[in-house]
Amino acid sequence: IAGITQAPTSQILAAGRRMTLRCTQDMRHNAMYWYRQDLGLGLRLIHYSNTAGTTGKGEVPDGYSVSRANTDDFPLTLASAVPSQTSVYFCASSDAAGVGHNEQFFGPGTRLTVL
Amino acid sequence: RKEVEQDPGPFNVPEGATVAFNCTYSNSASQSFFWYRQDCRKEPKLLMSVYSSGNEDGRFTAQLNRASQYISLLIRDSKLSDSATYLCVVNSLFFSSGSARQLTFGSGTQLTVLP
Repeated sequence: IAGITQAPTSQILAAGRRMTLRCTQDMRHNAMYWYRQDLGLGLRLIHYSNTAGTTGKGEVPDGYSVSRANTDDFPLTLASAVPSQTSVYFCASSDAAGVGHNEQFFGPGTRLTVL
Repeated sequence: RKEVEQDPGPFNVPEGATVAFNCTYSNSASQSFFWYRQDCRKEPKLLMSVYSSGNEDGRFTAQLNRASQYISLLIRDSKLSDSATYLCVVNSLFFSSGSARQLTFGSGTQLTVLP
């Protein structure tokens, strides 16, 4: 693995189903993030994790949950998918969180369609 | 009002043209500013940071006006490969914690450079 990977690349899901989007990074970054990107709205933060074992809510957390059991993995779960969760989901990581900027590196994205 | 606002475009310019993008932000406490680039159906990548004194990276010049809460990106001698969406990004107070700082993305300005 080089950088940050996401799986699946795309998925079509029936409403009401449970879905977990996977994200793995090999850069040993402390901070990880999940965004959704919708036309005209830009990237919106769903959940974040400043370090393994901790998570926090972003701008649009409802309907999503995350866990951070280790440094490398940051899965995003939709417990019961709804059509409004149709979007492109990007996972990102950075060297540290908090004051100052550390460049965020993004995964290739997961295109999710909920019918 | 969105925290970060950009003209969505699209900007269609001929090769060799100079093009400028503008961005405004609403949070006067924002500390750092960036431009990210996103190619079609790809992940965002950092293009350049924006410093108070203005900064240049080859054909790209970024300017910051804190008094007007305004950021700009100038691209000189446009190339076909510059065609992308340019995201204005602000590092500001995080939504729920009020202490940690996270990135807020504008919805992007689409640029197409024509042969």
